[in-house]
Amino acid sequence: QVQLVQSGGEVKKPGASVKVSCKTSGYIFSNYGINWVRQAPGQGLEWVGWISVFNGFTNYAQKFQGRVTMTTDTSTTTAYMELRSLRSDDTAVYYCATTLLPTVVTPSNNWGQGTLVTVSS
Amino acid sequence: DIQMTQSPPSLSASVGDRVTITCRASQTISKYASWYQQKPGKAPKLLIYTTSTLQSGVPSRFSGSGSGTDFTLTISSLQPEDFATYYCQQTYTTPTFGGGTRLEIK
Repeated sequence: QVQLVQSGGEVKKPGASVKVSCKTSGYIFSNYGINWVRQAPGQGLEWVGWISVFNGFTNYAQKFQGRVTMTTDTSTTTAYMELRSLRSDDTAVYYCATTLLPTVVTPSNNWGQGTLVTVSS
Repeated sequence: DIQMTQSPPSLSASVGDRVTITCRASQTISKYASWYQQKPGKAPKLLIYTTSTLQSGVPSRFSGSGSGTDFTLTISSLQPEDFATYYCQQTYTTPTFGGGTRLEIK
């Protein structure tokens, strides 16, 4: 079965960077893209961006442009999201999730367990 | 960005009730609306995509409809496990989510 296992929680200081990993298994890695979605404590869902494992194309939400980089490692079937210049309002649970299609942004049908990133001085 | 306005923000209902949640897009999103269910401390679960396609394994009491800018999620007969928060999402352009609807037991 499809599984996405994310790295553990992180505590970072303002201005630092964080890199969250998402280890996948149970499917052909290039068959799906990966969405990253975050959820601040007690708040709703916010789409961060997407990467196509098939061709490496990325699409980032405008508010994260210049601060986020999404990558994949096909040798380990792992996706990564790096967020730089962290601020306190980046404190959130970050989810990775597979998309329904490999080369366009689509809804997410399989989700990781989430990684809590806390930004605090 | 396309704004997705969900209503109501919260809803109280009883087991067996028929419930409808609506989502309005700030501009047309064609058929590219999807719906998720989220329970506390858990990742969202995809219920419906492209307006009305039921994700594999989702009970048939869930259904979706709409087009253009107005979309609905209907639960035909609420079950105890359906009490959760529901989100709509558009993927017509850069994806955005609605603000959520918290469905509580009356």
